Amino acid sequence: DAGVIQSPRHEVTEMGQEVTLRCKPISGHDYLFWYRQTMMRGLELLIYFNNNVPIDDSGMPEDRFSAKMPNASFSTLKIQPSEPRDSAVYFCASSYRQGRRPQHFGDGTRLSIL
Amino acid sequence: QQQVKQSPQSLIVQKGGISIINCAYENTAFDYFPWYQQFPGKGPALLIAIRPDVSEKKEGRFTISFNKSAKQFSLHIMDSQPGDSATYFCAASKRATNKLIFGTGTLLAVQP
Repeated sequence: DAGVIQSPRHEVTEMGQEVTLRCKPISGHDYLFWYRQTMMRGLELLIYFNNNVPIDDSGMPEDRFSAKMPNASFSTLKIQPSEPRDSAVYFCASSYRQGRRPQHFGDGTRLSIL
Repeated sequence: QQQVKQSPQSLIVQKGGISIINCAYENTAFDYFPWYQQFPGKGPALLIAIRPDVSEKKEGRFTISFNKSAKQFSLHIMDSQPGDSATYFCAASKRATNKLIFGTGTLLAVQP
């Protein structure tokens, strides 16, 4: 089975531009997570969904960030407008059922805002 | 109370040696403690996990030791190999939730 697929793998854009990151979870998984990884703050959970419904978005840093999951096989994380401090590696992960279940991570999108 | 504190930040071990990474938590509601391994350019991957009703779990060369009273847990890598060189994250989550709180990570370098 294919793992979690993220696109693009790298994104370089100028400050103020809209950025859209994409994620395809593992088929059959009902939980989807968006994380941000930086040297300063480590691995932070931004938001997670269960059955396409956002459950906890308390980690979303600002209103500039939004996430959607229109169906079980696709999710987006959007930043508008982008700022240099948004530069980070963004990971998507998925898991099956609730509780003590492994989260399967994609290989991330490295985002650089100039 | 939501934090998981991890140490050391980096670790250098000789091939064949034992690597030890420590984590501590405050929230007694945590009941699942996984360790994730991350290679450069890749996402973290689950390595091994433990529940608080068990004091130790071993999988191959990897062992988690758990001290519930001290609210601490650690990862031991026996016979460390250069291929184990990676960043290791401890994490914790509460019952009936999939929300993981990650430690700050430990960069392990195993020298040949």
